Amino acid sequence: NAGVTQTPKFRVLKTGQSMTLLCAQDMNHEYMYWYRQDPGMGLRLIHYSVGEGTTAKGEVPDGYNVSRLKKQNFLLGLESAAPSQTSVYFCASSYSNLMYEQYFGPGTRLTVT
Amino acid sequence: GNSVTQMEGPVTLSEEAFLTINCTYTATGYPSLFWYVQYPGEGLQLLLKATKADDKGSNKGFEATYRKETTSFHLEKGSVQVSDSAVYFCALNALIQGAQKLVFGQGTRLTINP
Repeated sequence: NAGVTQTPKFRVLKTGQSMTLLCAQDMNHEYMYWYRQDPGMGLRLIHYSVGEGTTAKGEVPDGYNVSRLKKQNFLLGLESAAPSQTSVYFCASSYSNLMYEQYFGPGTRLTVT
Repeated sequence: GNSVTQMEGPVTLSEEAFLTINCTYTATGYPSLFWYVQYPGEGLQLLLKATKADDKGSNKGFEATYRKETTSFHLEKGSVQVSDSAVYFCALNALIQGAQKLVFGQGTRLTINP
């Protein structure tokens, strides 16, 4: 089992460019999440999904879009990157509402100049 | 609302010292409580958890007890090692708008010197 994987690991964007971050899990989890981690602020939930074909907004969704076309994949898109989106992005997954542990990917470090 | 407050870091200790990282929470209902650890360059890993009042979670020599009366979940270890250097996050699991979500504290960076 690879667990939760994320691609790419690092990326530098210019303001206004777009990109997609890919998260994949091989644990057959229903729930998937995207977080951003900023210094001194812990992790904040951007968007999440409770199953294939569903998505919902988290705490800080503005400027991001997501899609969950397949159960094992959760994509995070930035349509027009801004310097405020410079952060480390983590994907996580969990089995269901009844299973509390979330499994995290290794993160993607994104810099927007 | 739901929130988690951790002691501010960074925390620097010598090897074999006693560790306490304080965590208090505010929650509606009865959340589960967690400590996650993030080693340099890696994602978060679950360290321990407790799902009801007075439960003690433990793993790798770390312990934390769910104290409902003080709304706390302090992390302790009797003798730390250099390999414990990491960032530690306290979190609670709340049902918010029909979905399970983790609410994290801001993290405490721990450095252990040999």
